[in-house]
Amino acid sequence: SQTIHQWPATLVQPVGSPLSLECTVEGTSNPNLYWYRQAAGRGLQLLFYSVGIGQISSEVPQNLSASRPQDRQFILSSKKLLLSDSGFYLCASKLAGVAYNEQFFGPGTRLTVL
Amino acid sequence: RKEVEQDPGPFNVPEGATVAFNCTYSNSASQSFFWYRQDCRKEPKLLMSVYSSGNEDGRFTAQLNRASQYISLLIRDSKLSDSATYLCVVNRNTGGFKTIFGAGTRLFVKA
Repeated sequence: SQTIHQWPATLVQPVGSPLSLECTVEGTSNPNLYWYRQAAGRGLQLLFYSVGIGQISSEVPQNLSASRPQDRQFILSSKKLLLSDSGFYLCASKLAGVAYNEQFFGPGTRLTVL
Repeated sequence: RKEVEQDPGPFNVPEGATVAFNCTYSNSASQSFFWYRQDCRKEPKLLMSVYSSGNEDGRFTAQLNRASQYISLLIRDSKLSDSATYLCVVNRNTGGFKTIFGAGTRLFVKA
């Protein structure tokens, strides 16, 4: 079965600072990978998804970007954080080639921008 | 209107009660359906898939009604540990494949 690792678990950053969150997946090859953000008390917002190395689709225009340098590595970045970037960031993975399967989530990174 | 809608609750029930959540989806091309559970400040975890014939896993029963475009989750004999947010999730493939998460229904089970 898949295991998704995310780090760091918590992060406090000043406004205007850069961001790099990393997600790695074990137990599967060529997964579909996803970045979500969840604001406090709210639902999941899909930010980016990737179906392969170097292939990134953006769902919401914003000051965040994503990259997939390796098959099982997905990175979320920002050059300058905004207060509104605070939230719970979740990486998810889904088996490729089986479109209707479920997604599995990593433990998340809780980001506070001050 | 959201593509997947859930009553946000909260549902406050005593231990041992039976509680039911409904979820409606608007896209008739939706193909697969799931219930996830999310504990406070944790990641969502798959609770169960939802099949057209209905399926049961212990105290949990999920049903799908394609004609009316809703899915349901029934929890029998509620435990304190069932307190969580329950997310309805729909996969569909129109205009590209997408997974849509509902905003969740909060459940509090009280002693």
